[in-house]
Amino acid sequence: SQTIHQWPATLVQPVGSPLSLECTVEGTSNPNLYWYRQAAGRGLQLLFYSVGIGQISSEVPQNLSASRPQDRQFILSSKKLLLSDSGFYLCAWATGGWNTEAFFGQGTRLTVV
Amino acid sequence: KQEVTQIPAALSVPEGENLVLNCSFTDSAIYNLQWFRQDPGKGLTSLLLIQSSQREQTSGRLNASLDKSSGRSTLYIAASQPGDSATYLCAGYSGAYKYIFGTGTRLKVLA
Repeated sequence: SQTIHQWPATLVQPVGSPLSLECTVEGTSNPNLYWYRQAAGRGLQLLFYSVGIGQISSEVPQNLSASRPQDRQFILSSKKLLLSDSGFYLCAWATGGWNTEAFFGQGTRLTVV
Repeated sequence: KQEVTQIPAALSVPEGENLVLNCSFTDSAIYNLQWFRQDPGKGLTSLLLIQSSQREQTSGRLNASLDKSSGRSTLYIAASQPGDSATYLCAGYSGAYKYIFGTGTRLKVLA
């Protein structure tokens, strides 16, 4: 069966520090991968998605970047965090196709102080 | 721009009640629809997927339906239990790798 791992679960970082969140998927190949941010009381905001190794689509111009160095690995990064980067970050993978189904990781609570 | 509305935003009911959660899209052009559950501080758990050729799906006490012509979906929860307390989100797949999420219905089932 397929599983998705996302870490760390919580992170407190000072303003101006770098960020690296990692997500890996097991049990499937060539998944579509996603990074979302969820703000309190608001819906999920799509940040990046990837349909293959090295292919990254950015939805929101932010202080963030994403990379997909391997088929089932998706990384969210920042060189210098801002206070506004605080939030709940979710990684997801999807099966693709018209009947695509999405599955989410457990999320990372990022607090920038 | 596609938007998704979930009604009600919050709901508190006594244990045992049957519930209906609603999800509507401004643009009915979605290919499939997925319902998720989110517990506080956790990720989203997939509950039901209604594929493009289907009109409803059932899993245990949950039943979800999709009316593409009106851009509406409902999630029916039978005989609610305190363990059903969570936020429920719907998401439509609109093509081009994009999912459109609602802001959720926060459900509390009282023992």
